Amino acid sequence: QVQLQESGPGLAKPSETLSLTCTVSGHSINSDYYWGWIRQPPGKGLEWIGSISHSGSTYYNPSLKSRVTISVDTSKNEFSLKLSSVTAADTAVYYCARDRRGGDGFDMWGQGTMVTVSS
Amino acid sequence: SYELTQPPSVSVSPGQTASISCSGDKLGDKYACWYQQKPGQSPVLVIYQDLKRPSGIPERFSGSNSGDTATLTISRTQAMDEADYYCQAWDSSTAWVFGGGTKLTVL
Repeated sequence: QVQLQESGPGLAKPSETLSLTCTVSGHSINSDYYWGWIRQPPGKGLEWIGSISHSGSTYYNPSLKSRVTISVDTSKNEFSLKLSSVTAADTAVYYCARDRRGGDGFDMWGQGTMVTVSS
Repeated sequence: SYELTQPPSVSVSPGQTASISCSGDKLGDKYACWYQQKPGQSPVLVIYQDLKRPSGIPERFSGSNSGDTATLTISRTQAMDEADYYCQAWDSSTAWVFGGGTKLTVL
């Protein structure tokens, strides 16, 4: 059974870089899927941040692209998110998910982790 | 940038049919997906490629997509279907796009 688990600090300071990791279990990250990050501000909707393949190919939300870096570590079966120059607007629950691309959507999701941006 | 528009809320009586719309420019030319999210939980994929159901999703959930509108239909709606529903589409310029979400209330 595929499981995804987000980890990382629950608090980030304004102007600093938010860093999260998603550990995948029950499925090799070395597969034909992509792996993505999605966020949800409190009381608001979902926003796709970006996705990565096992080989490191990435695609990002154009509105966040200048601040986002997603990387993959196949030896640890995990992928990571870095979001720079954060502000209070980046406060959200951050989810990692398996991205099947095209019309197939995100079929497996982590439980999500809340990140608050505050001094 | 590409945008998807959903009604903020839809209400339905138990046992009746609920329809949730998602509109976007030439959305029918793209594939649409739908997610169900209950309070405090992660989203769950309920429809992909416009009308396909992942394993474990009840047949009561169905989808369609034509013109500028995709529709999620829930037949014989139950109290357990009360949730937020999000549409999603793949656009060649912006990749994944989500709609703003619709709160389904089962009265």
